[in-house]
Amino acid sequence: GENVEQHPSTLSVQEGDSAVIKCTYSDSASNYFPWYKQELGKGPQLIIDIRSNVGEKKDQRIAVTLNKTAKHFSLHITETQPEDSAVYFCAASNRGSGNTGKLIFGQGTTLQVKP
Amino acid sequence: NAGVMQNPRHLVRRRGQEARLRCSPMKGHSHVYWYRQLPEEGLKFMVYLQKENIIDESGMPKERFSAEFPKEGPSILRIQQVVRGDSAAYFCASSMNTGELFFGEGSRLTVL
Repeated sequence: GENVEQHPSTLSVQEGDSAVIKCTYSDSASNYFPWYKQELGKGPQLIIDIRSNVGEKKDQRIAVTLNKTAKHFSLHITETQPEDSAVYFCAASNRGSGNTGKLIFGQGTTLQVKP
Repeated sequence: NAGVMQNPRHLVRRRGQEARLRCSPMKGHSHVYWYRQLPEEGLKFMVYLQKENIIDESGMPKERFSAEFPKEGPSILRIQQVVRGDSAAYFCASSMNTGELFFGEGSRLTVL
């Protein structure tokens, strides 16, 4: 079955610096790669996603890149702020007709942004 | 438009009791997914349901766990004869067809 590996497990940066989180996936049929942010005691919230027909997507300070050949994708957060501190999860799925669309998650990265 | 609603938010059970977790998907969503999150870990897929049908239960333990999504009412995740290892946060997510998954705030089960 699909397996998603995520690194690093913890990441500490100074406010204003950039943060990068990387994931690899095993199922070459995966075509949808979302990133979720989870704050303490809350449910995961989608922050950005990318589909396999594009290589990069950007939304303000957040960007995601996808390398289908190498089967890895990354989350980039620029100009980090203390409110970016949270646990971030990558996920992969095969979405489309005849597929369940279930997400397989990475293990999570705890990001700490120091003021 | 209300989001995915889960209740109870917190549930305490003694070993051997039953736990029932409820999930009301977002309006217009007919796909429901249940995930389990152990402390300090990621989210593990349990089951995927559509109205009155279990589509994929490959992540469900073989015993004591069951799920349903009836024609009327919320989806229910039922855990019989709970054990301490069942203590976790259980998250429900819903989607419209195979679109984005929206998660609820979770139900945190503690087994004493």
